[in-house]
Formats: sequence, C-alpha cells, structure tokens
Amino acid sequence: AQSVTQLGSHVSVSEGALVLLRCNYSSSVPPYLFWYVQYPNQGLQLLLKYTTGATLVKGINGFEAEFKKSETSFHLTKPSAHMSDAAEYFCAVNDGTASKLTFGTGTRLQVTL
Amino acid sequence: EPEVTQTPSHQVTQMGQEVILRCVPISNHLYFYWYRQILGQKVEFLVSFYNNEISEKSEIFDDQFSVERPDGSNFTLKIRSTKLEDSAMYFCASSAPRGGWEQYFGPGTRLTVT
Repeated sequence: AQSVTQLGSHVSVSEGALVLLRCNYSSSVPPYLFWYVQYPNQGLQLLLKYTTGATLVKGINGFEAEFKKSETSFHLTKPSAHMSDAAEYFCAVNDGTASKLTFGTGTRLQVTL
Repeated sequence: EPEVTQTPSHQVTQMGQEVILRCVPISNHLYFYWYRQILGQKVEFLVSFYNNEISEKSEIFDDQFSVERPDGSNFTLKIRSTKLEDSAMYFCASSAPRGGWEQYFGPGTRLTVT
C-alpha cells in the first residue's frame, strides 16, 4: 500500500520569497513521485516527477523537488514565488507502472505582495 | 500538444437520476482512469481501464458506477441513481508506456446532485 502526507493545508509566502511545500510518502515498493498543480476551476497539471536516477528533479515554472529516500520525502521548492504560483499543489505516488496514483490532501499556496 | 478532453464541464442532476460523464483520452494512450475530488478534499482514484476491461477499482467504485469505451475514442463513466454525496469534480486521465505511464488529466466535470 502507498500513502502520501502533505504537511500544511495552507502556505502563505510573499512574492519573491522561497516556496517550500512538504510531502512525505509511504511505499512498500520503490516509489514514483509526482507533484501536480491545480489552478482555480482547472484540472491537474503535472509539475514534475521522480522516477529513478537523479534525486533532484526540475519541473516547469521554476519548481524543483528532491527525493530523499532516508527521509521518505519529496518536498517541492521554488526559489522565488510569483503571484501566478497561487494554486493548490498535490503530491502523488505510484509504483511506476500504469497503476493508480495515490494523492495527498493538497496544499493551497497563497502568494502575497 | 495532445490533451484529454471531458464533457460536459458542469452537470447538474437530480438525486436518483443517471448521469454519463464523457472523456476523450489522448490518442494512442492505452490506460484510462477516473478520479474524483469532493469539494475541499483530496483527489481519489475510482477505476482504471485497459484492454476493454477494468484493471483496478477502489472501494468507492461500487455497483452504482460503470465504465465503458463505446468506440475507439470515448471513455465514459456512468453513475446510476445518483446521490447527494456523488457531487464532486470527476477527472479523467490517460497514460501510455512511451510516456513512462505518466497520467495526463482532463479539465474535469463538475457534477452537482440536487
């Protein structure tokens, strides 16, 4: 079984500040990890994914995430927040096959001036 | 860029009625999925479909639900005798081996049961 925990249902940062959204996972098999973003009234868009290999993964819009097996974490970061980053962010896990994605509860990112 | 499309974008129905949500997955994708997101909650897996049969389903996907690929392009989710608690956003997704089974999501159908 797999599960995802996202700490912090709401995160607020100032424009230009560092964004850090936390994700911890549990998996009995090597995990494939994903971050999705959901803008208001829109669907889910893939930001980035970790499969195998390099543990630091770069995605779209300047986001990156680091897979840390020892900490079972896959935190999402961005050096400088932009107003357009305001959205809901979901961490998800599967086993790398065509199997279902298991999502976390999401973190709503607010960016203030 | 290919994308998953879903219709309608919003469906309002009365309790007890049947609804059919439609999806057109990305061409050449092989696996199809339905997820739902109740307002304010996380995205939950409902069912996956491969080679014209269900490959995996969740506890939520009971006899009230069914899926079908009626032709070479559409993928549908039927909900019989809708309940108030079926009100949610329903997302369709598709994946292919060439993309590492990365799941591409549609924009969703918001189902409101009154």
